[in-house]
Amino acid sequence: GAVVSQHPSWVICKSGTSVKIECRSLDFQATTMFWYRQFPKQSLMLMATSNEGSKATYEQGVEKDKFLINHASLTLSTLTVTSAHPEDSSFYICSARRDGTRNYGYTFGSGTRLTVV
Amino acid sequence: GDSVTQMEGPVTLSEEAFLTINCTYTATGYPSLFWYVQYPGEGLQLLLKATKADDKGSNKGFEATYRKETTSFHLEKGSVQVSDSAVYFCALSRGGNDMRFGAGTRLTVKP
Repeated sequence: GAVVSQHPSWVICKSGTSVKIECRSLDFQATTMFWYRQFPKQSLMLMATSNEGSKATYEQGVEKDKFLINHASLTLSTLTVTSAHPEDSSFYICSARRDGTRNYGYTFGSGTRLTVV
Repeated sequence: GDSVTQMEGPVTLSEEAFLTINCTYTATGYPSLFWYVQYPGEGLQLLLKATKADDKGSNKGFEATYRKETTSFHLEKGSVQVSDSAVYFCALSRGGNDMRFGAGTRLTVKP
């Protein structure tokens, strides 16, 4: 089955530093991947849509300069939280849509818990 | 725009009780509908899906039927187990675009 690997699963960083999160589709190609943010006991909020070979599409209210997305290959998208601050602490989850599918659901990574101290 | 409204929790049940989690949606056209489950500290796992009206998705004893007339996709299970304790998300997707999620319902099953 489709597997998405997200790394790291958790990270603690100091305020002002940058953190990179990787989302990798292990056994399928994904031109499109999605990045979500989840606050405690809340639903997933879409941050951006990552497209291989082109710029990401950000949702309204998401700072593109703070949350840098790179989708350099058909199997890898990265989210970099730049100059992280405590309010960026959250659970970040990526998902990938297998190329050639439309309505069969997406495969989610296991999430990354970011804590900024 | 598209949206999903999900029954608010938390829901606490005894083992072997019947489970219903309500989900209704608003969308143009014919979206695909999904239920995802999230165990503590983990990402989301697809539980079941339905891609057209009257389809019934089922998995691990869970079922949901795509009801276009009531724009609903309620999740049911006849006999819950302690291991079913998790957060359940209803979601929709149109034409391969991103998914829209409900708020999530936390289920706790007590022995």
